[in-house]
Formats: sequence, C-alpha cells, structure tokens
Amino acid sequence: EAGVVQSPRYKIIEKKQPVAFWCNPISGHNTLYWYLQNLGQGPELLIRYENEEAVDDSQLPKDRFSAERLKGVDSTLKIQPAELGDSAVYLCASSPDLRSSYNEQFFGPGTRLTVL
Amino acid sequence: QKEVEQNSGPLSVPEGAIASLNCTYSDRVSQSFFWYRQYSGKSPELIMSIYSNGDKEDGRFTAQLNKASQYVSLLIRDSQPSDSATYLCAVIARDYGQNFVFGPGTRLSVLP
Repeated sequence: EAGVVQSPRYKIIEKKQPVAFWCNPISGHNTLYWYLQNLGQGPELLIRYENEEAVDDSQLPKDRFSAERLKGVDSTLKIQPAELGDSAVYLCASSPDLRSSYNEQFFGPGTRLTVL
Repeated sequence: QKEVEQNSGPLSVPEGAIASLNCTYSDRVSQSFFWYRQYSGKSPELIMSIYSNGDKEDGRFTAQLNKASQYVSLLIRDSQPSDSATYLCAVIARDYGQNFVFGPGTRLSVLP
C-alpha cells in the first residue's frame, strides 16, 4: 500500500514569492492534515480536512496561507507571499476517520521550505 | 501547562540497555495515544498506539498507559544504535478539537 505522497521535497524561494505544496493521502483515508514543524519541535497543526471539508483551520494564518482539498482526495497548501519565518518543514498526514476508535495517523516525507 | 510534555533530552543509554521515554498530558478525557520515531531529516514514523490502561508490547517496544496519572511511556528493550532518534508523543485531545497534539519530542542516543 502506497504511503502519503508529498511534493516537492525541497523548495527554496525568495521572500514575498508564492509557494505551493501538494499532498496525496493514503487511499481510503478520509482525514488529511497539514502540519508545520520547526527544528527541535513537534509538528503543529495548520489545518485538518474531513473529506473535502476543512473542519479545523483555526491555526492557519489566513492572511497568507490557503489550502484546498477539492475532491476529498489530494490537497494543496499555498503560501503567498512567503516570509522568512515560514522556513520550516511542511508535513502532510492522513488517517482513516477521526470518528474511528482506533485512528492512526501516517505522515508523508514532508517538504522542506527555505525562504531567503 | 502545555497539552503534551516530554523531557527534551538528550537521553543517552548504552547499547543493549532499556531506554525509558516519558510523556504527560493535560486533557483528562484523552483516549488515544501514540508514539512516533523521527530520524534526523525524516518525517515522523508511527511505532506504537495505545488506547487502554496497562502495557502494550510490540517486539522490543512496550507502551505503558496510566490514564489516572495522565502518563504514557515507551520502553525500548535491548536498545540498538539504530534506535537513536527523536521520539514524539502524540495525544488526540478533546480540548484541541479532537486533533492530534504532539509533544516536543525526546532525543534518544544509543551509544555502541
């Protein structure tokens, strides 16, 4: 079974430029998460989707970040414009269904963003 | 108090010893608990999940959960240098919208 797929793996951009990350979750997983991870810290949730609905985007900086999951499968996270402080690893994860009693979450390889 | 707390480490143990990693959480009604391993430059990898009080064993790994004390631990028996990584504790927390909340991780170093 294929895992969570993310692209690109690495991205270097100059500040004020736009950037987009793509994620394809594990087949059959209804819940998709985008996290941000800074060095030495645990992942921090940006947004959670249940199918195509964003059920929690309270931690997403909406002035510059946006996300979509149009058909309830793959998802895109965008930053426009990027700032120096956005340099981090952006992780996508998926899980079968948060209502499941045994809900396990699996991560993709992540995208390492460097903003110059 | 942070939702999920872990000793930041680094925790150093000799090869073959038992490594003990600890995690405390603040949400009394949390029901689901997870341990992830993260190698440097890699993404987190799920190694254990536990939902009921007591011990759960999987190979060299044992997760221990005590909901009354709001405490979950991970024991690694016969530690190997390949176990050197950061171990992240995660909890599905009602107070955080039923989201996964991660601790800061404990860095483990197994010395040959």
